Amino acid sequence: GAGVSQTPSNKVTEKGKYVELRCDPISGHTALYWYRQSLGQGPEFLIYFQGTGAADDSGLPNDRFFAVRPEGSVSTLKIQRTERGDSAVYLCASSSSGGARTQYFGPGTRLLVL
Amino acid sequence: GENVEQHPSTLSVQEGDSAVIKCTYSDSASNYFPWYKQELGKRPQLIIDIRSNVGEKKDQRIAVTLNKTAKHFSLHITETQPEDSAVYFCAGPNTGNQFYFGTGTSLTVIP
Repeated sequence: GAGVSQTPSNKVTEKGKYVELRCDPISGHTALYWYRQSLGQGPEFLIYFQGTGAADDSGLPNDRFFAVRPEGSVSTLKIQRTERGDSAVYLCASSSSGGARTQYFGPGTRLLVL
Repeated sequence: GENVEQHPSTLSVQEGDSAVIKCTYSDSASNYFPWYKQELGKRPQLIIDIRSNVGEKKDQRIAVTLNKTAKHFSLHITETQPEDSAVYFCAGPNTGNQFYFGTGTSLTVIP
């Protein structure tokens, strides 16, 4: 079946602009995660959804970052007033449920803030 | 929260030799320990995982061992091949639903 997909694959924006990153999880997966990966680092947890609700958003770095999953499937990560330090690869992952379950990653969105 | 430390950060081995990567964790309640492989510019992909009710799991040339007393788990790759070259990450959930990833090990298999 189809895996996790993310769009766009690359996004270049200017400092101060607003961006939206989209994640389509594997069909039927109730758990969805957003991570940020900087060069040479491991994925850094941002937020976890179980169904439509954000069960854990403690990894969001500040209030410029926000994510939604209104129908329990597709999720959008929104970044306001982007800064150069936001440049990274944003990864989405889904699993059949939360906790100790395999997470399947999408290809990521490479964000570059100029 | 969970803290996962991974060593070494880089590892070079001759083709055919074995490679071992080790991770330690702090949360004794952790019960699931996956290993991911990430090739340059690609997504992380699960290669093997282990749950806390077993001490070892093997899948062909790849094995993972878990020592709950010492709070560490290790990835073992035998008969390494050039296509094993990649960055490997361990991960561990805390008692909630977050996954904390290690800092990664860049493995180079020299032909």
